[in-house]
Amino acid sequence: DIQMTQSPSSLSASVGDTVTITCRASQIVSSYLHWYQQKPGKAPKLLVYAASTLEAGVPARFSGSGSGTYFTLTISSLQPEDFATYYCQQSYNSPSFGQGTKVEIK
Amino acid sequence: QITLKESGPTLVKPTQTLTLTCSFSGFSLTTSGVGVAWIRQPPGKALEWLALIYWDDDKRYSPSLKSRLSITMDTTRNQVVLTVTNLDPVDTGTYFCAHRNMGDAFDIWGPGTVVTVSS
Repeated sequence: DIQMTQSPSSLSASVGDTVTITCRASQIVSSYLHWYQQKPGKAPKLLVYAASTLEAGVPARFSGSGSGTYFTLTISSLQPEDFATYYCQQSYNSPSFGQGTKVEIK
Repeated sequence: QITLKESGPTLVKPTQTLTLTCSFSGFSLTTSGVGVAWIRQPPGKALEWLALIYWDDDKRYSPSLKSRLSITMDTTRNQVVLTVTNLDPVDTGTYFCAHRNMGDAFDIWGPGTVVTVSS
């Protein structure tokens, strides 16, 4: 199984800040890495797929990068609606998710 | 417009079998490249992928749960069914089904259905 490790597990930030979440895979996953946003009581929403491709309709302040085993999700100019939990997921082989990163208001 | 919706029992007893149905519209599971997955989330915890079925009836399962899972599709009814055997309270959580896109990500999700395993 491929283990996905996100850091940090949680962070506090202010509106307008730039935040970066990292995701490390226990083995190479090429660019088969995707990012989701989840708000309480809701289903996850796809933000970025294939490491860096923004899903249609997702604001350009979200960006993804990386390949191999190290990936990042960056949110530029954090907005009030961005406070949520973010998950990475690999699909190189049997899909697996990271443990999540909760972005809270400072 | 692609939509998915999960349905099934909300309360099941330990050792019983859970059967969940994902009803979808806006795509066909006979179209090359299409897939539907099941993912679950225990209360307050992370997402866990369970199973995935492809347009060609290829099936993939979580290695840790493989012996307890079965995924099937009914292309005439536009449904995907997941069964989970030998339930335990740790199986309690929200169960989601999701559409797999050509980028191999889960791009459209159902709202989820809450399942509680308790005697």
